[in-house]
Amino acid sequence: DIQMTQSPSSLSASVGDRVTITCQASQDISNYLNWYQQKPGKAPNLLIFHASNLETGVPSRFSGSGSGTHFSFTISSLQPEDIATYYCQQYDNLPLTFGGGTKVEIK
Amino acid sequence: EVQLLESGGGLVQPGGSLRLSCAASGFTFRNYAMSWVRQAPGKGLEWVSGISSGGGVTYYADSVKGRFTISRDDSKNTLFLQMNSLRVEDTAVYYCAKNPSVSVGPSDYWGQGTLVTVSS
Repeated sequence: DIQMTQSPSSLSASVGDRVTITCQASQDISNYLNWYQQKPGKAPNLLIFHASNLETGVPSRFSGSGSGTHFSFTISSLQPEDIATYYCQQYDNLPLTFGGGTKVEIK
Repeated sequence: EVQLLESGGGLVQPGGSLRLSCAASGFTFRNYAMSWVRQAPGKGLEWVSGISSGGGVTYYADSVKGRFTISRDDSKNTLFLQMNSLRVEDTAVYYCAKNPSVSVGPSDYWGQGTLVTVSS
């Protein structure tokens, strides 16, 4: 199975800060990677597909980049409504696997 | 608007069975693969199973292989997960999720989940 290592596991930042989360795959997954946002008590919501493509309706402050084994997810200007846990997921191989998640809090 | 509504969760003893259902609406159900993803209390996401459009191809995580069976009824726009020989470690919120293509893959829409608790 492909292991997805996500870091940090949590972070605290101020409103307006730039926030970056990284995800490393245990083998080359090309750009078969999604990023999801999960707010407390809610289902996950797709933000970024195919590593860098913004899902329809998602604010442009969210972005993704990377390919191969190293990926990053950025919030350009953190907003209070961005408090959530963020997960990467690879879909190059089955079983699909997720990173451990990054909990984002407001300082 | 895509809607996925899970049902069938509850409390069951170890070794018992449950059948989860997911009623889909807002899209042409038969044209898309579907998946189940679970989340243990306070933990991360774990992909459990997927089924292709048409139901001819199914996949399972090793942790549930041989115990869980995924199926679909395209005439009723419903996805199922039959869970047998349940273990304490199967306790989780189970999400039904739509895949964006005919093949099993990542999910673009998720239901709100149904809680399965395995405990004596």
